[in-house]
Amino acid sequence: GAVVSQHPSWVICKSGTSVKIECRSLDFQATTMFWYRQFPKQSLMLMATSNEGSKATYEQGVEKDKFLINHASLTLSTLTVTSAHPEDSSFYICSAPGGGAYSGANVLTFGAGSRLTVL
Amino acid sequence: DAKTTQPPSMDCAEGRAANLPCNHSTISGNEYVYWYRQIHSQGPQYIIHGLKNNETNEMASLIITEDRKSSTLILPHATLRDTAVYYCIARSGNYGQNFVFGPGTRLSVLP
Repeated sequence: GAVVSQHPSWVICKSGTSVKIECRSLDFQATTMFWYRQFPKQSLMLMATSNEGSKATYEQGVEKDKFLINHASLTLSTLTVTSAHPEDSSFYICSAPGGGAYSGANVLTFGAGSRLTVL
Repeated sequence: DAKTTQPPSMDCAEGRAANLPCNHSTISGNEYVYWYRQIHSQGPQYIIHGLKNNETNEMASLIITEDRKSSTLILPHATLRDTAVYYCIARSGNYGQNFVFGPGTRLSVLP
């Protein structure tokens, strides 16, 4: 089946530093990937849509200069949290449409998530 | 995307069937019903999806009412490892469209 790999699975950083999270589609190509954020005891919230070869589309209220997204190839999207602060501590999850034995591009495959803790 | 409504929590005895309801009364003709689950501290896992007909796979069965205004996910023999938050999502099948997650149903499978 389709696999989306996220790295790192967890990261701890100091306030003011930047952190990069990678999202890879391992056995299929994805021109679009989605980045979600999940705070404790809450549901997933879409942050941005990553588009291969073009600028990402950010949801209302998400700072594009703080959450830099680069979709450099058909299998890799990265999310960089710049100048991280404790309030950015969260669970970040990426997903990609398609792949696997499902009915074509109608299903999103999710990564395992990356837990960011900013001290 | 059509709004979906799910009970916030449910309990199920281990080995019994877990029936998780979802209401999507405003679903449109081109919108599928998708079910995902999220085990603690993991990314959502695809379970099943359908448009009009009932569907079954190795994980679960999906029963969609004839008017498509509601559906039920059935885990035939729940195990402790099925304890998770289950999300029902109504969305078109277009490539590149994101999923909007509601609060889901927290299923607790009890020994």
